Amino acid sequence: GAGVSQSPSNKVTEKGKDVELRCDPISGHTALYWYRQSLGQGLEFLIYFQGNSAPDKSGLPSDRFSAERTGGSVSTLTIQRTQQEDSAVYLCASSLGPAPWAQHFGDGTRLSIL
Amino acid sequence: ELKVEQNPLFLSMQEGKNYTIYCNYSTTSDRLYWYRQDPGKSLESLFVLLSNGAVKQEGRLMASLDTKARLSTLHITAAVHDLSATYFCAVDPQGGSEKLVFGKGTKLTVNP
Repeated sequence: GAGVSQSPSNKVTEKGKDVELRCDPISGHTALYWYRQSLGQGLEFLIYFQGNSAPDKSGLPSDRFSAERTGGSVSTLTIQRTQQEDSAVYLCASSLGPAPWAQHFGDGTRLSIL
Repeated sequence: ELKVEQNPLFLSMQEGKNYTIYCNYSTTSDRLYWYRQDPGKSLESLFVLLSNGAVKQEGRLMASLDTKARLSTLHITAAVHDLSATYFCAVDPQGGSEKLVFGKGTKLTVNP
């Protein structure tokens, strides 16, 4: 597709379960970002990948959160032992190079923890 | 720590009226971005402001940046229903950093 694709679009799971969220960036985009948007809040930066460089993980809220990007393309965000406060929309964005002003956002994954 | 504050957080206005949304931030930056988000949708880039005094206009929306006052405004002229959405500002705290800091958003409702 032409845009950033995220899956699933919605995920409901029980507290304590692990979840994996997927992001397919725009082809050729070397930079990939993950954000979290809690209800009524702005976006909170989580992690940033740029090419083969070590990712900037400084926004990850706890060690239950991790992300990887395989082959410089698809990325997965994993949340282990989910908690209710993890409920949010998780947005992925990509850009051609490190250009935050030119990010293209996916539609997000709405995560609900019961 | 950079803080970004938008106000108002909620705005209900009638079609044809003018209004301004404000975005204040706490540390020096000369890069600020505005986004629009429709319900259940992702963010759409509206404006990229990269210097003091920058002004950008698109249709009924105009954005400006005053880096000395650490303030950006998004002005709405003669609002129409199609402008109903949530508007976010985001500040690049280190000029080229990828860690944008977002405001909480302003939910705009334009009533016929």
